[in-house]
Amino acid sequence: GQQLNQSPQSMFIQEGEDVSMNCTSSSIFNTWLWYKQDPGEGPVLLIALYKAGELTSNGRLTAQFGITRKDSFLNISASIPSDVGIYFCAGQLRRGDDKIIFGKGTRLHILP
Amino acid sequence: DGGITQSPKYLFRKEGQNVTLSCEQNLNHDAMYWYRQDPGQGLRLIYYSQIVNDFQKGDIAEGYSVSREKKESFPLTVTSAQKNPTAFYLCASSDGRTPFTDTQYFGPGTRLTVL
Repeated sequence: GQQLNQSPQSMFIQEGEDVSMNCTSSSIFNTWLWYKQDPGEGPVLLIALYKAGELTSNGRLTAQFGITRKDSFLNISASIPSDVGIYFCAGQLRRGDDKIIFGKGTRLHILP
Repeated sequence: DGGITQSPKYLFRKEGQNVTLSCEQNLNHDAMYWYRQDPGQGLRLIYYSQIVNDFQKGDIAEGYSVSREKKESFPLTVTSAQKNPTAFYLCASSDGRTPFTDTQYFGPGTRLTVL
């Protein structure tokens, strides 16, 4: 089946640094989603992307839908302690007509 | 407050026992979903339901069963046939009758440990 390759698997950064993570696939997706999961909680949707090339921001978070439709990127600027968690990308082959496929997540750690 | 509740937060069961995980939503959403999450893995779809009394298998339905007798409730039973039941189980719901069309909202999850 389709797979999403999410990288890096984990990141250790200093507070205040910017963060970049990405998600790639060999298949073309028509929807890209980015979720954040705090420890022991369910994922929360951060950003949804529906159009190739689309760049969308949510506060300090910015995500882009890759032009090839096979990748997406999430950037976090000026990281703060509450950014700690697991970030999942998710894709949908055909919007509204297909299951959502999740990446394995990027675990973000912020060093004191 | 509107939202999705899952209970209990932690559940321990002996091997060979069936166990039922609760999921309730008061968002008036039509579609509901069950996912399984293992350490270092993404979410995998177990079952989903788009309307009362109807549900569909997801990618890993073997060893699980569900029911949808009420719009707001979608309980998941982990049966003794499930070979590796220890996992974090997440319930989600979305508006609209067509599954996967609208944003999925997740519950807080239930961590099941089979001893």
